[in-house]
Amino acid sequence: EIVLTQSPVTLSLSPGERATLSCRASQSVSSNYLAWYQQKPGQAPRLLIYAASSRATGIPDRFSGSGSGTDFTLTISRLEPEDFAVYYCQQYDSSHTWTFGQGTKVEIK
Amino acid sequence: EVQLVESGGGVVRPGGSLRLSCAASGFTFDDYGMSWVRQAPGKGLEWVSGINWNGGSTGYADSVKGRSTISRDNAKNSLYLQMNSLRAEDTALYHCARVTVGAVAAFDIWGQGTMVTVSS
Repeated sequence: EIVLTQSPVTLSLSPGERATLSCRASQSVSSNYLAWYQQKPGQAPRLLIYAASSRATGIPDRFSGSGSGTDFTLTISRLEPEDFAVYYCQQYDSSHTWTFGQGTKVEIK
Repeated sequence: EVQLVESGGGVVRPGGSLRLSCAASGFTFDDYGMSWVRQAPGKGLEWVSGINWNGGSTGYADSVKGRSTISRDNAKNSLYLQMNSLRAEDTALYHCARVTVGAVAAFDIWGQGTMVTVSS
């Protein structure tokens, strides 16, 4: 089973700052199968990025994804007040199973 | 409007069973694979089970394998999760999610979830 480790666990930043979130896999992940989600309290997760770098429908261009192999990054170029939330990476593998990282909380400094 | 609505959650004793349902609307259900994802109170997301468009291929997390069965009824636009031998650690909010078409395997639509509490 591929394990995804996200860092940092918590990121304390101010609105307008740049956020860089990391997701590291225990084995190589196909870029097609790496996604990022945002979850706010009391809400279902929302798909932000799929295939490592493609933005989902309606996602602002301040969100971007990059990486390959075992190292992937979600970048929020300038934090807006509505961006403070928990972010999860997710992968799908050849055994037809999915796994999520443990999440990174982006909080207001 | 594209929508997923879960039901069937509740309070059950350890060792008991529950059948969760997910009603889909606003899209062609049998064009998509589907999955169940759960979230224990205050914890992160955990994928539970997935099924392809026609039910011919299924997968389970190790934590529920042998105790749970995923199924779908395309005529009723519905997804199900039969959960048996429930444990305290199965307590969570259970979401159903739609798998994107194409070779990307992300979850693009989520329901709000149904709560399962396993307690004596």
